[in-house]
Amino acid sequence: EAGVAQSPRYKIIEKRQSVAFWCNPISGHATLYWYQQILGQGPKLLIQFQNNGVVDDSQLPKDRFSAERLKGVDSTLKIQPAKLEDSAVYLCASSWDYEQYFGPGTRLTVT
Amino acid sequence: AQKVTQAQTEISVVEKEDVTLDCVYETRDTTYYLFWYKQPPSGELVFLIRRNSFDEQNEISGRYSWNFQKSTSSFNFTITASQVVDSAVYFCALRAPYSSASKIIFGSGTRLSIRP
Repeated sequence: EAGVAQSPRYKIIEKRQSVAFWCNPISGHATLYWYQQILGQGPKLLIQFQNNGVVDDSQLPKDRFSAERLKGVDSTLKIQPAKLEDSAVYLCASSWDYEQYFGPGTRLTVT
Repeated sequence: AQKVTQAQTEISVVEKEDVTLDCVYETRDTTYYLFWYKQPPSGELVFLIRRNSFDEQNEISGRYSWNFQKSTSSFNFTITASQVVDSAVYFCALRAPYSSASKIIFGSGTRLSIRP
């Protein structure tokens, strides 16, 4: 069974630029999550989708972050414009019950 | 409020020693799940175990064991006869209440280094 796929693995951008991350969950998993993990901290949930509907986006900085999940499968997370404090690893996870399976993450560096 | 505390930021032991990683949680919900995840240098979070709030039985899986005590709101993780491959960051997490819609709260992690 293929795992959660994410791309790119690494991205370096300058502040005020835009960036997008892509996630392909495990086939059949209805729930998809985006997490932000700042160095030395645990992952923090940004947004949770159930199929293509948003379940929780309470911690998503909506002035600069946006996410969508078209057709209830793949998802993209966008940051526009990026700030220095957005430097982190962005993790995507999917689940069909209570266990989440994580992708390898995208390491974003904002300079 | 829900919270997970991993007070040990870093632990370093010599190979073959036993090591325990502490986890203390806070929740007002009576039904919840607790998790442990491993994050090796590659960065991917690997699921290790899930316990529900009604099951306080300790669990053993090979060299890994978990001690869940509701009375002290703790869910500690012990590695017996540690190996270099156990070196990673370990996260304890809480999902409350029972619902696939509820979010998982992660602790700040414990970085475990096993020296040969």
